[in-house]
Amino acid sequence: AQKITQTQPGMFVQEKEAVTLDCTYDTSDQSYGLFWYKQPSSGEMIFLIYQGSYDEQNATEGRYSLNFQKARKSANLVISASQLGDSAMYFCAMREVNSGYALNFGKGTSLLVTP
Amino acid sequence: GAVVSQHPSRVICKSGTSVKIECRSLDFQATTMFWYRQFPKQSLMLMATSNEGSKATYEQGVEKDKFLINHASLTLSTLTVTSAHPEDSSFYICSARDSRVNYGYTFGSGTRLTVV
Repeated sequence: AQKITQTQPGMFVQEKEAVTLDCTYDTSDQSYGLFWYKQPSSGEMIFLIYQGSYDEQNATEGRYSLNFQKARKSANLVISASQLGDSAMYFCAMREVNSGYALNFGKGTSLLVTP
Repeated sequence: GAVVSQHPSRVICKSGTSVKIECRSLDFQATTMFWYRQFPKQSLMLMATSNEGSKATYEQGVEKDKFLINHASLTLSTLTVTSAHPEDSSFYICSARDSRVNYGYTFGSGTRLTVV
């Protein structure tokens, strides 16, 4: 069964606008971590933001924020004031103790920022 | 910040030969390293988890005799693709975990393997 679901294969956003990338997850662990990574065409994985399952406040890192809805098992990424350089693939990932601390990734969302 | 060096970045090899990919954590000790494979326009698929000094744990469907993983030190893990075939052509990327930090996963820059 898919542990991380990203339902948006592709998204468009206009420069300077905000965009939300969806992510839902499935786990029976009480302690887990949620991550978002950006992967440009070069292939490198760029860490954006982390949310621990016990963190009561939503994580924020600059223009990135994570909308963590624990009861709904969702961890959406919000990018504010989009820039052309934000065009890339975005992956949501989850770390579970039961998986040996490996990160399991969703299928990703391709974001295109237009002028 | 934490840096993981992965080499080579690109390799082309002939069918039937073996290729070794190195993943090295430069400024921290990684007790655990992970190897992923990514086909074009797809997600990262976990191949194996490598713990220093012990045998790697492979995911279901990954042939351990074909993808040899060695994690001989706290800073180095290697993936050897043995008897490579064209279907092994893919993007391979490693990740090293710094257990001191909850979000301490650093990725290498990846290796694009083409088997001809």
